[in-house]
Amino acid sequence: GENVEQHPSTLSVQEGDSAVIKCTYSDSASNYFPWYKQELGKRPQLIIDIRSNVGEKKDQRIAVTLNKTAKHFSLHITETQPEDSAVYFCAASIPFGNEKLTFGTGTRLTIIP
Amino acid sequence: KAGVTQTPRYLIKTRGQQVTLSCSPISGHRSVSWYQQTPGQGLQFLFEYFSETQRNKGNFPGRFSGRQFSNSRSEMNVSTLELGDSALYLCASSLAQTGAPSEQYFGPGTRLTVT
Repeated sequence: GENVEQHPSTLSVQEGDSAVIKCTYSDSASNYFPWYKQELGKRPQLIIDIRSNVGEKKDQRIAVTLNKTAKHFSLHITETQPEDSAVYFCAASIPFGNEKLTFGTGTRLTIIP
Repeated sequence: KAGVTQTPRYLIKTRGQQVTLSCSPISGHRSVSWYQQTPGQGLQFLFEYFSETQRNKGNFPGRFSGRQFSNSRSEMNVSTLELGDSALYLCASSLAQTGAPSEQYFGPGTRLTVT
């Protein structure tokens, strides 16, 4: 089955700097890659996603890039703010009529004021 | 639209008991997936229901089961509870209108503690 690896497990950045979280997946059939943000005690929230027919997607300060050949995808957060502090999860999904998400192990991002 | 809701939010049970958790998806969403979240194992897929049918199942023992009703609401059941079943149980709903995976939105979760 699909396996998703996520790095780093923890990341601390100065407020205003950029943060990058990287994931790799094992199944080349995966074609949907969402990112979730989970604040302490809250539900995971979908913040951005990308499909395999697109190489990059941006939404304000957040961007995701996908390299299908290398089976890598990354989350980029620019101009980080204290409210960006949370645990971020990447995930991958294989098509063929199911919604199963395989998650990475999470990255705890801390923004230092 | 109202978001995904789950009941109860917190539950304390004793080993050997059984428990039923409920999930109401976003209106119009036809798929409901269940995940177990623990500090050690992260987010793990339990199963997915679509049109009252289980479409996919994760690697959990048969003590974990679920169902979906005609209004898309879903329940999951865990029988013969073990200490290791203590976790946050999250459900997620999605439109699932096409063959491609669709955006999934999570509920607040049910925190299950087994003593």
